[in-house]
Amino acid sequence: QVQLQQSGPRLVKPSQTLSLTCAISGDSVSSNSLTWNWIRQSPSRGLEWLGRTYYRSKWDNDYAVSVKSRITINPDTSENQFSLQLNSVTPEDTAVYYCVGVRGGLFDYWGQGTLVTVSS
Amino acid sequence: ETGMTQSPATLSVSPGERATLSCRASQSVSTNLAWYQQKPGQAPRLLIYGASTRATGIPARFSGSGSGTEFTLTISSLQSEDFAIYYCQQYNNWPWTFGQGTKVEVK
Repeated sequence: QVQLQQSGPRLVKPSQTLSLTCAISGDSVSSNSLTWNWIRQSPSRGLEWLGRTYYRSKWDNDYAVSVKSRITINPDTSENQFSLQLNSVTPEDTAVYYCVGVRGGLFDYWGQGTLVTVSS
Repeated sequence: ETGMTQSPATLSVSPGERATLSCRASQSVSTNLAWYQQKPGQAPRLLIYGASTRATGIPARFSGSGSGTEFTLTISSLQSEDFAIYYCQQYNNWPWTFGQGTKVEVK
């Protein structure tokens, strides 16, 4: 059974970088059948997919157009985890952030969620 | 991007009654449509995939139907634990997209 455990700061100042990590147990970040995703949820935006990293003979990433210039998602094979960095945050980036393992387009495995507040 | 529209935004139902939720896609998604349930303070949970297949452990009172652009989630007899927000999600057209959710509340 895949389990995801999120960690990272819950308060970030405007213009700074939001950083979260998602530790994987029960599968590998190098899985050939899962992709590793970040989604956020807010009252104004609903469930918004942000991006993913995955391994299919090589590492690759996909990012949402809305955040493409500010986002980086990286795998860490030594720790079996992946991370999210979102630069130049504003109060509009305040949301609950989830890491999610996706198989065949289905959002199967969810982290516990982290409410990140952007405020000075 | 495929837009997903759910209706109604809020559905008020008495326990034991039937609930019918709708989801419409802006273009065909075939039957690559999933439903998720979210309770307060929890992450969404996969209920239905392939428009009509229940995920592991999901009770038979949950059923899904539809194809193309029109989909329905039916809860045949609402239990107390079913009052939650329900989201549809398409995985036919990249990027995958979610609806805005339907809140099922106690009448």
